[in-house]
Amino acid sequence: KQEVTQIPAALSVPEGENLVLNCSFTDSAIYNLQWFRQDPGKGLTSLLLIQSSQREQTSGRLNASLDKSSGRSTLYIAASQPGDSATYLCAVVQAGTALIFGKGTTLSVSS
Amino acid sequence: DGGITQSPKYLFRKEGQNVTLSCEQNLNHDAMYWYRQDPGQGLRLIYYSQIVNDFQKGDIAEGYSVSREKKESFPLTVTSAQKNPTAFYLCASSPALSYEQYFGPGTRLTVT
Repeated sequence: KQEVTQIPAALSVPEGENLVLNCSFTDSAIYNLQWFRQDPGKGLTSLLLIQSSQREQTSGRLNASLDKSSGRSTLYIAASQPGDSATYLCAVVQAGTALIFGKGTTLSVSS
Repeated sequence: DGGITQSPKYLFRKEGQNVTLSCEQNLNHDAMYWYRQDPGQGLRLIYYSQIVNDFQKGDIAEGYSVSREKKESFPLTVTSAQKNPTAFYLCASSPALSYEQYFGPGTRLTVT
């Protein structure tokens, strides 16, 4: 059964720092991987989607990479800002299924 | 304005009562999903539907029921059989199964 793990569970950094969030999954037969942001008490906002054939995707200060063979993805946030403070969730989907989520990394960026 | 709406935002019920959570989308998506989120936990799949009049159980379907009579709507009923119904419920949709999913704002259900 597919399992998704996110490390660390929580992260605190000063404003301006570059940071990396990690996501690992146990079964490399994925269809795609999606990174989300969740603010407290809110729904999920999709940040980046990486298809299984892709190695990375970029959007503004965010860059997500995918190494399917090793079962890993990273979300790189450049020049972090207080507004980046949120919980970041990683999820994978295998063909014919819905998303399987990790428990998230809660990021706090201090000014 | 395209998107997914969930209502109400907050819902309170007494133990033993059934309650229905609404989810509507105007994105013309075929697939819709219900997830449950508990504090400190990732999202867990309750039910999903690939097409009208068809739906499948997810990992934690016990105590829940759904219907998909219209493409735009996928209501979730939390029955009295659900032992721990207090949670944050999120609805999502995608063009088809396994495609990028878009989420609604969620409904926080509290049962006392």
